[in-house]
Formats: sequence, structure tokens, C-alpha cells
Amino acid sequence: DTGVSQNPRHKITKRGQNVTFRCDPISEHNRLYWYRQTLGQGPEFLTYFQNEAQLEKSRLLSDRFSAERPKGSFSTLEIQRTEQGDSAMYLCASSFQNTEAFFGQGTRLTVV
Amino acid sequence: GEDVEQSLFLSVREGDSSVINCTYTDSSSTYLYWYKQEPGAGLQLLTYIFSNMDMKQDQRLTVLLNKKDKHLSLRIADTQTGDSAIYFCAVGDDKIIFGKGTRLHILP
Repeated sequence: DTGVSQNPRHKITKRGQNVTFRCDPISEHNRLYWYRQTLGQGPEFLTYFQNEAQLEKSRLLSDRFSAERPKGSFSTLEIQRTEQGDSAMYLCASSFQNTEAFFGQGTRLTVV
Repeated sequence: GEDVEQSLFLSVREGDSSVINCTYTDSSSTYLYWYKQEPGAGLQLLTYIFSNMDMKQDQRLTVLLNKKDKHLSLRIADTQTGDSAIYFCAVGDDKIIFGKGTRLHILP
């Protein structure tokens, strides 16, 4: 296992299009987190899963955003009707229970 | 809500010690973290400390925790050019909250 894997690494999309990102956590980790990071800021919490259950969602996660982790392994984050303000780095992390969280390299989204 | 504050910039001469400070509001967290982010790279977990500890040392890194003042610090001994990065303080068990990051600049 080489760590948390995110795909794609980069995504350029036109405003109004839908995008989906994938995260594959470290295999024995039951928790999976999504964060968003904009330039000059720290990562902002979006949501997290314990196994397949989504336990918390940030107010930052508008109804255009949805995340799933159907089998408790990989997760997807979908953004519908993208806006320019959605341009950011989307980071995924995983952990075993509430032990230390390891991050993937992120997916950089650019909405044009 | 929970908040994590840290200074935005720190300049240190190569070979000196760097001390990055952080204050936080959530006193219930079991884990407190330091992450490193180099340009264009992801977040690398540097070290963490349990809330029932005062200090943790790991090679050149020393983490100090003052629970009463809700203050966390990271000391990097013998700072090298490769230490140039943004350092994030983060606190939390379920929902990990990050500071805005401290950009460490190394002077020759």
C-alpha cells in the first residue's frame, strides 16, 4: 500500500459542468476525510466517513456537493454545476479510527 | 466553532532553531498535529502529540504543549534549506481543524 491515492491529480472544467473526484484510502483505514484548500489558506474540513457512514458535513458543503463511500473503501466527491469559486485543491485523508490522518496529493480543480 | 491560529511567516538563518507557534480553542482534542507542505505537494504528517503529554521529541523536532494556555509549538533544531515549507498546526479527533499555516523561510 503506497498511501492515499487521489484521481485525477488535475481537472479543468467549464463553469456549469459536473466533476467527480476519487479517493482510495490506505487499505486498513476505516475513516476517510475530504478537505478543500485554496491558495494561502489551510485545509478546510468538508466531510468525513467512518466506514460507509457519512458522520459529519461542513456548512461549506453546499447542496451542489455530494460525497459517497458506498462500500467503506474508496470515496467519491461530486460537484454539480461548478462555479469559479469551486476552484481549489481537494484533499483526501484517511486514518484508523481517530489516530493520525494521512493525506493524498490532492486533486487540483480549475473552473474556467 | 473551533479555531486554530498561527503566525503566517517566519524567517530563520540556516543552522539556527525555528520555533513555530500555534494557539487553539478546542480543548477536548486527543491529538494535536504538525503537518508540512512543500510547494505543489500534499500535506506530510510531521509529528503529533497526545493531549496528555507536555513534550515530544523526534530527531530535530520538538513539540511542546501547554494545555492550560492552549498553546502548541514546533521547534526545528539546526534548520536546513530543505525545511523551507509551510507548516500547519492542526487539532481534532474526528474533524481535524487546520490553521492557515506558517511559511518558514530559510536565510543563508
